[in-house]
Amino acid sequence: DTGVSQNPRHKITKRGQNVTFRCDPISEHNRLYWYRQTLGQGPEFLTYFQNEAQLEKSRLLSDRFSAERPKGSFSTLEIQRTEQGDSAMYLCASSQGPGRTDTQYFGPGTRLTVL
Amino acid sequence: GENVEQHPSTLSVQEGDSAVIKCTYSDSASNYFPWYKQELGKGPQLIIDIRSNVGEKKDQRIAVTLNKTAKHFSLHITETQPEDSAVYFCAASLTGNNDMRFGAGTRLTVKP
Repeated sequence: DTGVSQNPRHKITKRGQNVTFRCDPISEHNRLYWYRQTLGQGPEFLTYFQNEAQLEKSRLLSDRFSAERPKGSFSTLEIQRTEQGDSAMYLCASSQGPGRTDTQYFGPGTRLTVL
Repeated sequence: GENVEQHPSTLSVQEGDSAVIKCTYSDSASNYFPWYKQELGKGPQLIIDIRSNVGEKKDQRIAVTLNKTAKHFSLHITETQPEDSAVYFCAASLTGNNDMRFGAGTRLTVKP
């Protein structure tokens, strides 16, 4: 399967703990996006990368959140000092990049539950 | 910024009937409008998209129409099947702008 993959699929943590999620985009996709989705809502944009550069961050991305894509391939999203309000589905998507189709393909998501 | 509204929030149809979901957007500069289907516990799956240089696009039982003047676009599913049951999201963005905005979703139920 050559789609977007995310790990873990589910994460349960206690308030105050740090968590890290991983996303592997479709091979040769230059752009990688992170979204957050809460129950009954559409995905909300958090941040995106063009290769290894993080080019845009939403106001939703508080300073407890950090994302990296060190080699321009996989990406990690870390949440420090988790809060109950962080409970959500975290979605990753990838697209080919500038000058090519910007269609975004999503992974299965990581569901985070903060107790 | 862009704001996307989606209606209805829930839709129930009989198998074989058609289903129509409508979205409006606020930013007249938006030129890319994808539709995603999301099943329980899965990520959104792209089912069809349309760009502002065309008014309609079809793919088998699925079609999307775009009215740029009125700033609305619609998803049409014909001959619905139980496996079409899912949550459908519309979205809008400007090519090159990576802040894609999604509607709140429509939960479609197809009754056998």
